[in-house]
Amino acid sequence: DAKTTQPPSMDCAEGRAANLPCNHSTISGNEYVYWYRQIHSQGPQYIIHGLKNNETNEMASLIITEDRKSSTLILPHATLRDTAVYYCIVRVAGTGTASKLTFGTGTRLQVTL
Amino acid sequence: NAGVTQTPKFQVLKTGQSMTLQCAQDMNHEYMSWYRQDPGMGLRLIHYSVGAGITDQGEVPNGYNVSRSTTEDFPLRLLSAAPSQTSVYFCASRTLTGGYTEAFFGQGTRLTVV
Repeated sequence: DAKTTQPPSMDCAEGRAANLPCNHSTISGNEYVYWYRQIHSQGPQYIIHGLKNNETNEMASLIITEDRKSSTLILPHATLRDTAVYYCIVRVAGTGTASKLTFGTGTRLQVTL
Repeated sequence: NAGVTQTPKFQVLKTGQSMTLQCAQDMNHEYMSWYRQDPGMGLRLIHYSVGAGITDQGEVPNGYNVSRSTTEDFPLRLLSAAPSQTSVYFCASRTLTGGYTEAFFGQGTRLTVV
């Protein structure tokens, strides 16, 4: 699996967009980018994933650069409940046994009033 | 639909004691796994299973045993607890059919070994 690099922490004002970057310069052509978050030591929660096109769901948007070496998770209107550790994970897609999730240390997002 | 249920939520053990952390899921998922999370660190994979009767090691398997006798249950056994096993343990499950499948995590078991 490709290694990812994330800033250790970020702050965001409530109501503003939170933009969380992730560098994955060694990503392979068949590897997807996944984002999970962990709120206050609860179990991680899936947010979104993508291959090369930008993706959006009810939680967030994922912007992947054209060369796929980096991506940004966007929470359009951050709330205090979005305070969490956000993990960017790169791995081969699919349902095979090798498609394990490998967690780094993530980015601790603090949303403030 | 309860999702992934872990018991107990908290546990204190003495060094050398054994115990079993329970994990159950009601989503008929084939894939189940155990992670540990130490303070300030990400999750590390201990063991995983792709179906009943099949288990395999993750990146930190030493000191832990698992078995998978049913699709629903995936217990994690500590044979002789050590202080280094003080951690928060998470169980996760997902289906192995239908393209990308998100992993569902339990709420964790906080284990302290004294």
